[in-house]
Amino acid sequence: QQQVKQSPQSLIVQKGGISIINCAYENTAFDYFPWYQQFPGKGPALLIAIRPDVSEKKEGRFTISFNKSAKQFSLHIMDSQPGDSATYFCAASRSGSRLTFGEGTQLTVNP
Amino acid sequence: NAGVMQNPRHLVRRRGQEARLRCSPMKGHSHVYWYRQLPEEGLKFMVYLQKENIIDESGMPKERFSAEFPKEGPSILRIQQVVRGDSAAYFCASSATRQETQYFGPGTRLLVL
Repeated sequence: QQQVKQSPQSLIVQKGGISIINCAYENTAFDYFPWYQQFPGKGPALLIAIRPDVSEKKEGRFTISFNKSAKQFSLHIMDSQPGDSATYFCAASRSGSRLTFGEGTQLTVNP
Repeated sequence: NAGVMQNPRHLVRRRGQEARLRCSPMKGHSHVYWYRQLPEEGLKFMVYLQKENIIDESGMPKERFSAEFPKEGPSILRIQQVVRGDSAAYFCASSATRQETQYFGPGTRLLVL
């Protein structure tokens, strides 16, 4: 019940395209859903986060869509750029405690 | 405001030795979390500490692993008698309060020969 399932495992997108990464969770007690971006050899960096009282949050080219009834949330990267090539992790936590991470999506944006 | 600092960045140990990983949280942060990332896998929670207290250690192996966050100084993750399966990247994150965002350090990459 603590798992967060993430898909796809890898994603290749052309420059300017839309990248979409999906996550699903089981634990309805989760109330905080962040996305992290990780470059090789670096630590995860917070990209954007959402709480279940809203269905969508947008920051620049990054948007989180949240479907509470389906227990799913997704990251959309608009106008994808080669510099966005990285591994993306969704995560979930309950009341700000430990983060439960998805397995990660390796995104490659071709020029 | 400096970010989360971890040292060493790379650590090589032989089987049976001890590994000590250090984490200095962001200024003003008193909550520290340790996560482990095995090759090609996601991050797994290990332990959550607040100054001088272990709040949640449910993700930490019962044997050989210990963590502390003293009143003064960095948080320490200690692995005794390391085995090859301990080879991984260990990340520390900190937050100002329990409900606030966790900010990650650059990690310590442990290689056990």
